[in-house]
Amino acid sequence: DAGITQSPRHKVTETGTPVTLRCHQTENHRYMYWYRQDPGHGLRLIHYSYGVKDTDKGEVSDGYSVSRSKTEDFLLTLESATSSQTSVYFCAISESSGGVYEQYFGPGTRLTVT
Amino acid sequence: GESVGLHLPTLSVQEGDNSIINCAYSNSASDYFIWYKQESGKGPQFIIDIRSNMDKRQGQRVTVLLNKTVKHLSLQIAATQPGDSAVYFCASGGNRDDKIIFGKGTRLHILP
Repeated sequence: DAGITQSPRHKVTETGTPVTLRCHQTENHRYMYWYRQDPGHGLRLIHYSYGVKDTDKGEVSDGYSVSRSKTEDFLLTLESATSSQTSVYFCAISESSGGVYEQYFGPGTRLTVT
Repeated sequence: GESVGLHLPTLSVQEGDNSIINCAYSNSASDYFIWYKQESGKGPQFIIDIRSNMDKRQGQRVTVLLNKTVKHLSLQIAATQPGDSAVYFCASGGNRDDKIIFGKGTRLHILP
């Protein structure tokens, strides 16, 4: 398995509270991604990073922010959690191999907002 | 907008038979395609990829076919085993593009 860990693995929080999810990699890959997975929607990209301090929005970025101060860590923050952000969150990493950005995924974080 | 989709949300196959999972994509500029397998409670796992300049690629017990004319690709799993039970996603990416787009997934059930 690719060296990707996510923490916490499970979290229950109340509406309106801030939440930070952490993704840590040991592969020294340049690209890191945050997805959310919901029934009927598959995997949707929230934010991604193409280097330290270089990030960009994905298709469902509203209500989320990210930071990448080190190659190995990519943080996803929900400034004020809402019930619609209840989901499973996956981090992924990739490098280009002949132009193909093969992504490797972490084990996921299950977040419940009550 | 750009989309990647699978034809069936669920597929049931007898153990030992071959499985075929289909996927359609909309962006003719897609340069490569990837199949992922996701087991319950785990993150997606890379299975096989194929570049747009290829029609077929084989791995261990898996084959991916690409038909660019109709923007369709399929994943064939030979001699399906209980361990193949999972959700399968296709995804596509463009050349020099560091993002990929995922389809919604097909759940493969293996019947004894």
